[in-house]
Amino acid sequence: AQSVTQLGSHVSVSEGALVLLRCNYSSSVPPYLFWYVQYPNQGLQLLLKYTSAATLVKGINGFEAEFKKSETSFHLTKPSAHMSDAAEYFCAVSTTLTGNQFYFGTGTSLTVIP
Amino acid sequence: DAGVTQSPTHLIKTRGQQVTLRCSPKSGHDTVSWYQQALGQGPQFIFQYYEEEERQRGNFPDRFSGHQFPNYSSELNVNALLLGDSALYLCASSSFTSGSYNEQFFGPGTRLTVL
Repeated sequence: AQSVTQLGSHVSVSEGALVLLRCNYSSSVPPYLFWYVQYPNQGLQLLLKYTSAATLVKGINGFEAEFKKSETSFHLTKPSAHMSDAAEYFCAVSTTLTGNQFYFGTGTSLTVIP
Repeated sequence: DAGVTQSPTHLIKTRGQQVTLRCSPKSGHDTVSWYQQALGQGPQFIFQYYEEEERQRGNFPDRFSGHQFPNYSSELNVNALLLGDSALYLCASSSFTSGSYNEQFFGPGTRLTVL
C-alpha cells in the first residue's frame, strides 16, 4: 500500500526565509511523487513531480524537491519565501501498481510573515 | 487551452437528497478521477474513469457512482446524502493514451454543503 505523511500541519516563515515542507512516503514499488499547492477556495495546482528521472526536481515559482530513497522522503524547499507563497501544500504519491490513483497527505498550511 | 472545468461551483442540498456533479477534462485527456476533500484534509480518491468504465475505486460506498461520456466528460452522483458528504469535490484529468497518465490536472472543485 502507498501512503504519505506530511510532518507539520502548519509552518510559519518570515518573508525572505527558507521554506522547508516535509513529506515522507511509503511504497512497496518505485513511486511517482508530486507536490501540489492549493490557494483558498481553489483546486490543486501542480508545483513539481518526480517520475524516476533526476532526483532533484525543479518546479514552478522557485520551488524544488529532492527524492531521497534511503530516507523515503520528498521534501519541498524554496530559498526565499514570498508573501504569495502562503497557501496549503499537499504531497502525493502514486505508482504503476495503483494505476495512477493518487494518495495525498493531510497537507501543510504555509504562513509567510512580513 | 481550457483546463479542467467543473460545475456547479457551489451546491447546497439536504440530507437524503441526490446530487450530480459534472467535470470536463483538459483538452486531449481521456481519463477522469474524482476526489473528495473534507475540510482540513487532503483529497481522498473516489474513483477513476477511462473508456467510459470505472477502472479503480477508493474506499467509498455504493452511494457514490459515476459515469464517463464518449467526449470524456464525467459525472459524479451521490445518493442519499449524509451530513458527512459535505466537502470539496475535485475532478482531475490525465492522459492514459499519451503515457502521461501519472500526471493529473485538477479542476477548481465543487463545494457541496449538506444540511
